Amino acid sequence: SAVISQKPSRDICQRGTSLTIQCQVDSQVTMMFWYRQQPGQSLTLIATANQGSEATYESGFVIDKFPISRPNLTFSTLTVSNMSPEDSSIYLCSVSGAGLDYGYTFGSGTRLTVV
Amino acid sequence: QQPVQSPQAVILREGEDAVINCSSSKALYSVHWYRQKHGEAPIFLMILLKGGEQKGHDKISASFNEKKQQSSLYLTASQLSYSGTYFCGTESLHEKTSYDKVIFGPGTSLSVIP
Repeated sequence: SAVISQKPSRDICQRGTSLTIQCQVDSQVTMMFWYRQQPGQSLTLIATANQGSEATYESGFVIDKFPISRPNLTFSTLTVSNMSPEDSSIYLCSVSGAGLDYGYTFGSGTRLTVV
Repeated sequence: QQPVQSPQAVILREGEDAVINCSSSKALYSVHWYRQKHGEAPIFLMILLKGGEQKGHDKISASFNEKKQQSSLYLTASQLSYSGTYFCGTESLHEKTSYDKVIFGPGTSLSVIP
């Protein structure tokens, strides 16, 4: 399965600022997925990033707030813009495995605290 | 639409068995199962594809009833290492793009005690 390097692992940010999270995959993948996980909660899909096209956002998430870049098949960034304390969460990128028998591999996550 | 999981939480003694259920109101063509330990990323356990099948490795297995849109994860002879939160993830065609996305259930907290 793919190996994902995600950074930063954690950050404490001031409200009103922006943070960019990076994910690097050790192999080429068509789609990358960005999830958010509140402490003790499930994973909520933010958007799907497909190389060469605009990201597809889920209901409740907009591009102005969570712009995503996907410049090539091994890299993606998620920016959390104009942050508020409600954005405090864990953000994870993931990729789908190759073939029908493989699930998602996740990055180690970015724990974001907005103060 | 988020799948439903039951139970919310379960406590087992080592060696006991457990079943975690996952159901969806949408037509599915696959169900994923993941385990997440505190402070770590989810780890993929197995995927079941439509066609109705059962899979397993070691003492963890799962079934998928496509017609009922339900899946169950079976943990037998539980070990301390099985503790964590188990998520099912259901996969159906994305309305806008026609490719897949996985929607995760709320999770089942499983604690195995000596």
